[in-house]
Amino acid sequence: AQSVTQLDSHVSVSEGTPVLLRCNYSSSYSPSLFWYVQHPNKGLQLLLKYTSAATLVKGINGFEAEFKKSETSFHLTKPSAHMSDAAEYFCVVSGLYSSASKIIFGSGTRLSIRP
Amino acid sequence: GAVVSQHPSRVICKSGTSVKIECRSLDFQATTMFWYRQFPKQSLMLMATSNEGSKATYEQGVEKDKFLINHASLTLSTLTVTSAHPEDSSFYICSAGRDSRSYEQYFGPGTRLTVT
Repeated sequence: AQSVTQLDSHVSVSEGTPVLLRCNYSSSYSPSLFWYVQHPNKGLQLLLKYTSAATLVKGINGFEAEFKKSETSFHLTKPSAHMSDAAEYFCVVSGLYSSASKIIFGSGTRLSIRP
Repeated sequence: GAVVSQHPSRVICKSGTSVKIECRSLDFQATTMFWYRQFPKQSLMLMATSNEGSKATYEQGVEKDKFLINHASLTLSTLTVTSAHPEDSSFYICSAGRDSRSYEQYFGPGTRLTVT
């Protein structure tokens, strides 16, 4: 069975300060992990993905995430927040499910940026 | 790239009518497509898995007779909300995988359905 837990429903940081969005997963298989961003009334945009290559993954817009198997975590970070980063962020786990891949979404973390 | 489109982007319909939403993979063939719904300020909930040429697999609690899915070709899946009611108002998003063993999904931009 697979599951993903986003530990914070809402994170608020000041512009220019670091961002940390936490994600823990469980999976019976070697998982693939993703972070997506969703701006209001928009579709999903892939930020980055981990698919069993390098454990430190760099994505778009300065975001990165580190896969830590021992901690079953895949936290998303950014050194310096920008106002345009305000959005909803989803951690996603994917793996084989029966004969097809199936993905599981976390509950989401709303990121607010204070001026 | 791998682009997935949805049509329409927004639709308003009257209670009791049916609405069809299309999901297309524009530059690749998708053997598997997924349909999600998203309520305001909530995460995406998987409704069903659509496989080309076979019946869709519905998640527990999703009425297959209400949400009809047809995956007639490798580039098109449709979701029809039959006899829509106001509680069906939601944001519907589809995704497509390149093959049945692909871990990565490519998401459509979503369809906002409002039932009056």
